[in-house]
Amino acid sequence: QQQVKQSPQSLIVQKGGISIINCAYENTAFDYFPWYQQFPGKGPALLIAIRPDVSEKKEGRFTISFNKSAKQFSLHIMDSQPGDSATYFCAASMSGYALNFGKGTSLLVTP
Amino acid sequence: NAGVTQTPKFRVLKTGQSMTLLCAQDMNHEYMYWYRQDPGMGLRLIHYSVGEGTTAKGEVPDGYNVSRLKKQNFLLGLESAAPSQTSVYFCASSYSAGMVEKLFFGSGTQLSVL
Repeated sequence: QQQVKQSPQSLIVQKGGISIINCAYENTAFDYFPWYQQFPGKGPALLIAIRPDVSEKKEGRFTISFNKSAKQFSLHIMDSQPGDSATYFCAASMSGYALNFGKGTSLLVTP
Repeated sequence: NAGVTQTPKFRVLKTGQSMTLLCAQDMNHEYMYWYRQDPGMGLRLIHYSVGEGTTAKGEVPDGYNVSRLKKQNFLLGLESAAPSQTSVYFCASSYSAGMVEKLFFGSGTQLSVL
């Protein structure tokens, strides 16, 4: 069964707006939550990641918010740019085990 | 620095044919993985390897076999291809279990089974 549920499936944001993608998980043993970015014709690449001992991590325009009690985490892209148009995958894992990916969100940032 | 290289990039098979996808990494990574990506399904783990000579099943292993005879190579085989195996296949590698989150992906193989 899907261990990580991701929404929305697709998202359209105007340039300069905030893009928000949400993920939820059930397994409380998960202790690592990365986000991957994939451009057409390319493999996914690690964008940003968080561990459950912090509630937020920011890298440039990208921020992960983590809510341990709700078993949810989200990616916020501030000042979204057309170059951010890509597919975004959330994932979760337990230490030493393979990643479980969400189904992905296709983001389009319009000029 | 090549990273993770997948060959071929595209392939068309007829139902029942066999083929092998090759993945090579030059980062001396211990862990290697094969994923398939289907529209609306995300990335699903087929098989993985935690070191030379070892393999293990992932989420969707049926119809696939793998081998890791050399540390730098991870082969994915389809013995009798089926249309349900039409997909984009990605190989990935990581340094170790403790670094499992830092996956390095290849650029993918588009496989069509007619």
